[in-house]
Amino acid sequence: DTEVTQTPKHLVMGMTNKKSLKCEQHMGHRAMYWYKQKAKKPPELMFVYSYEKLSINESVPSRFSPECPNSSLLNLHLHALQPEDSALYLCASSQDRGGASYNEQFFGPGTRLTVL
Amino acid sequence: GQNIDQPTEMTATEGAIVQINCTYQTSGFNGLFWYQQHAGEAPTFLSYNVLDGLEEKGRFSSFLSRSKGYSYLLLKELQMKDSASYLCAVRDRSDSNYQLIWGAGTKLIIKP
Repeated sequence: DTEVTQTPKHLVMGMTNKKSLKCEQHMGHRAMYWYKQKAKKPPELMFVYSYEKLSINESVPSRFSPECPNSSLLNLHLHALQPEDSALYLCASSQDRGGASYNEQFFGPGTRLTVL
Repeated sequence: GQNIDQPTEMTATEGAIVQINCTYQTSGFNGLFWYQQHAGEAPTFLSYNVLDGLEEKGRFSSFLSRSKGYSYLLLKELQMKDSASYLCAVRDRSDSNYQLIWGAGTKLIIKP
């Protein structure tokens, strides 16, 4: 199984809503990532978990709250978002955060988020 | 500082060959990745280079020159399905952490 799954595929929410994005992988990877991607831009790193511990938080607003319940799951909790937060949210995983050959990141299909 | 440059857009003809260049400046180079991304979809891994030279994978090849801070992705026998964005990403080591630095991507348009 070389797949990263994400749910939901599409999400529309109001600025007062609370919602969660979910990501799952069963490749035994110990590093998991959340990215935000706007149209025609590269992925922008938000959070990195390594061995279920948050190791990087790239100055993301507190209205985004990550959670890693176990080594296979990664959640992103959303609250009081702004319209400018509308984007494609990508989850990725890799074997670990080391510099070994390859150790490429595998991406999920993403959640297309629209904030009204 | 850290910087990655790629052309914004390229056009090529079905059946032809195209080369997408990537130049980079990083302080702790530890490998270069190429990803393909179709519109509205997730990036998918194409190739990895850490030593100088050419890596070939079917219709796709990737080249690296560390001394020049330069890489290219070569696509042969272009097909319409190759229309996508191609992202160059450099793995950079800072202290004991490794991080991917992404280029802005090159949108490749294939014409019949």
